[in-house]
Amino acid sequence: DAGITQSPRYKITETGRQVTLMCHQTWSHSYMFWYRQDLGHGLRLIYYSAAADITDKGEVPDGYVVSRSKTENFPLTLESATRSQTSVYFCASSRTGYLDSNQPQHFGDGTRLSIL
Amino acid sequence: AQKITQTQPGMFVQEKEAVTLDCTYDTSDPSYGLFWYKQPSSGEMIFLIYQGSYDQQNATEGRYSLNFQKARKSANLVISASQLGDSAMYFCAMNYGGATNKLIFGTGTLLAVQP
Repeated sequence: DAGITQSPRYKITETGRQVTLMCHQTWSHSYMFWYRQDLGHGLRLIYYSAAADITDKGEVPDGYVVSRSKTENFPLTLESATRSQTSVYFCASSRTGYLDSNQPQHFGDGTRLSIL
Repeated sequence: AQKITQTQPGMFVQEKEAVTLDCTYDTSDPSYGLFWYKQPSSGEMIFLIYQGSYDQQNATEGRYSLNFQKARKSANLVISASQLGDSAMYFCAMNYGGATNKLIFGTGTLLAVQP
């Protein structure tokens, strides 16, 4: 049961570079999410996707791009990385989007990204 | 706008004692769900417990229970008989945005269980 996997686990890059964080889930969940975790802010939603080819902005989408050509994959791209994007990034998935379904989001182990 | 507030940045508890982690929320939606997640030092996010806004009874999962007071807009997590392995960061979260299950998180409470 692989669940949800993120890669890489750690990444160091320089400002201005493009970097892509990968997220893969084996549950065929419809919904996938990207969050960033920063001290003093908890987790904040960057983008989410309700299904393949359907994506939408979250709370902090600026500077990020997502795509979802296949249900199981949801990559997050920083097109021109900035120091303010240094953070821990979590991918999550859930089977449905209904409030009364008691369907929690399941999280990957995170990617720690440092931008120098 | 939705908001989650966790006012306790850090807490200590003695092993085998109970501890309550506070969470208050703000929303104008009549239908919402409240979640608690645990983040140990290894970094992963572990789902603990869920409470729906229309649930009549407080949620329980093993040693975890959720003290849900709707009128006060609070959803406190109670951990009974604390164990050393309970030392972690705990996040309260609420879903919003209709049938999209988006989550808004609090800033977390760091719990340290002392032997």
